Amino acid sequence: GAGVSQSPSNKVTEKGKDVELRCDPISGHTALYWYRQRLGQGLEFLIYFQGNSAPDKSGLPSDRFSAERTGESVSTLTIQRTQQEDSAVYLCASSLGPGGETQYFGPGTRLLVL
Amino acid sequence: QKEVEQDPGPLSVPEGAIVSLNCTYSNSAFQYFMWYRQYSRKGPELLMYTYSSGNKEDGRFTAQVDKSSKYISLFIRDSQPSDSATYLCAMPQAGTALIFGKGTTLSVSS
Repeated sequence: GAGVSQSPSNKVTEKGKDVELRCDPISGHTALYWYRQRLGQGLEFLIYFQGNSAPDKSGLPSDRFSAERTGESVSTLTIQRTQQEDSAVYLCASSLGPGGETQYFGPGTRLLVL
Repeated sequence: QKEVEQDPGPLSVPEGAIVSLNCTYSNSAFQYFMWYRQYSRKGPELLMYTYSSGNKEDGRFTAQVDKSSKYISLFIRDSQPSDSATYLCAMPQAGTALIFGKGTTLSVSS
């Protein structure tokens, strides 16, 4: 079956511009996660959606970052007024439920801010 | 101290070698332990998942958990060039996201 998909696969933008990254989770997965992976670093949690509950935004690094999810479907991560330090791979994952459930990752969006 | 520590390597071994990858953690509340494998320019994929202390074997891979020492290991027997990847340990926080180690980059030469 289809896995987690993300678009675009690569994005180059200029400092100060806004970018929007998209994630399509596996159908039926109620939990959706966004992570950031900087070069040579591990995955850094950004935000977590579980069903209709309020999202856990505790990992968002600044108010320039926001995310939305439509029901149990598509999610978009928006970065406003991008900075060079935002350059990273942004990974989305989904799972059947929260906690210890296996998370399935998409291929990521590689963002480069010039 | 970070919650999960992992030596980033890189680690280079010849084909056929036994590989040992390790992580330490500080939060004794962690109950599940995972190893993800990430190939270059791909998302991580789950390799092994353990719950309790002890060993779990899957083919050439063995995951080991020592909760008393807060230490987990992944062993790869008869390593192959196709095992060349970054290996990340991960632990789920209660009801929320995974906490990952930095990942160890492994290169297996033929």
